[in-house]
Amino acid sequence: GAGVSQTPSNKVTEKGKYVELRCDPISGHTALYWYRQSLGQGPEFLIYFQGTGAADDSGLPNDRFFAVRPEGSVSTLKIQRTERGDSAVYLCASSSDPTAYNEQFFGPGTRLTVL
Amino acid sequence: QKEVEQDPGPLSVPEGAIVSLNCTYSNSAFQYFMWYRQYSRKGPELLMYTYSSGNKEDGRFTAQVDKSSKYISLFIRDSQPSDSATYLCASTDGGNTPLVFGKGTRLSVIA
Repeated sequence: GAGVSQTPSNKVTEKGKYVELRCDPISGHTALYWYRQSLGQGPEFLIYFQGTGAADDSGLPNDRFFAVRPEGSVSTLKIQRTERGDSAVYLCASSSDPTAYNEQFFGPGTRLTVL
Repeated sequence: QKEVEQDPGPLSVPEGAIVSLNCTYSNSAFQYFMWYRQYSRKGPELLMYTYSSGNKEDGRFTAQVDKSSKYISLFIRDSQPSDSATYLCASTDGGNTPLVFGKGTRLSVIA
């Protein structure tokens, strides 16, 4: 595909459940970012991958959140024991160069609702 | 205090008006400044990108950065209903540090 894709587009779950959110970056992009956007707020950084490794995970709010990118392409954000406060849009972005801020492209996001 | 502050609006203007959107930031190390446009239920798309202080123009859009006052502006000339969206400012100090976003300003351009 031409852009960053994210699945599912919407996810409704119950408090305490486990969820996985998937991001397919633009082909060849080595840098991948996860952001969380709560209602009425701007995106907030969660984690950044360069290749397969997490280069910066300082934005993950607690140890219930974890992300992987095992082959340096697709990434999965995993949330354990979901809480109502986790409800937000989870955005993924990718770029060919982490310093090329004019080349960081966002996906449409996954809207997570925790009941 | 958040590193990037932005009035969330909403802002409503008539078609053809000049729109001024603004952000302030607190981190003196910020060197890169971006404006993103986000339509409802879509991801942000980059609109303007500037490095350090100065102006940058692209069609109907002009971005201004004043590092002395830590002030970022986006001007939209001849605004159109299709400009109705949320506009997000973002900054970073470069390197591998992540973008810091403002809250976003919701703009409505009324035909």
